[in-house]
Amino acid sequence: DGGITQSPKYLFRKEGQNVTLSCEQNLNHDAMYWYRQDPGQGLRLIYYSQIVNDFQKGDIAEGYSVSREKKESFPLTVTSAQKNPTAFYLCASSIAGTGRRANEKLFFGSGTQLSVL
Amino acid sequence: DAKTTQPPSMDCAEGRAANLPCNHSTISGNEYVYWYRQIHSQGPQYIIHGLKNNETNEMASLIITEDRKSSTLILPHATLRDTAVYYCIVITGNQFYFGTGTSLTVIP
Repeated sequence: DGGITQSPKYLFRKEGQNVTLSCEQNLNHDAMYWYRQDPGQGLRLIYYSQIVNDFQKGDIAEGYSVSREKKESFPLTVTSAQKNPTAFYLCASSIAGTGRRANEKLFFGSGTQLSVL
Repeated sequence: DAKTTQPPSMDCAEGRAANLPCNHSTISGNEYVYWYRQIHSQGPQYIIHGLKNNETNEMASLIITEDRKSSTLILPHATLRDTAVYYCIVITGNQFYFGTGTSLTVIP
């Protein structure tokens, strides 16, 4: 069954702790994205990657880090520098970066809810 | 940057058509309009997209005005399961920008 898998579904972070959210896709997509969603708000882009070993900051990258060592995987680390990490985190992928094709579709995972203890 | 404007909320009676408007007055000639919906605490689901012609699929129809400054998503026979937040999106640069969307409530 092809798709995007995010884990865990729920995650708790202690003060000063780094936590990593997993995102794996088996759609053979080049581009992957991380979004943050706060209650009652739309999605805001944290980071995106259009190809392996390359990624760019989105609108709210401070306090987050990513890596793209494999095409299938795009983990997001929420560092201790992110002072307000409680949010719903969504990972997405598309066939190619939007700069290369005008009619891309985004495919989303089911999300990870991160809370602070 | 092309951005979108949507009403924050709408109601629709079950079985009736739901018409969700979106303004995108700064859209450029080669930018597609996308619609997604999000049911609470799930990832957004793709519905439909178009450039300048009207589009229809098994989920919905998309009507884009001739000047491309606005569009309407039509759910022809709304059901209770269509209750969700609907996002109208235009890609700018390499990014999909999601606004706050329209919260559609289908009423029995």
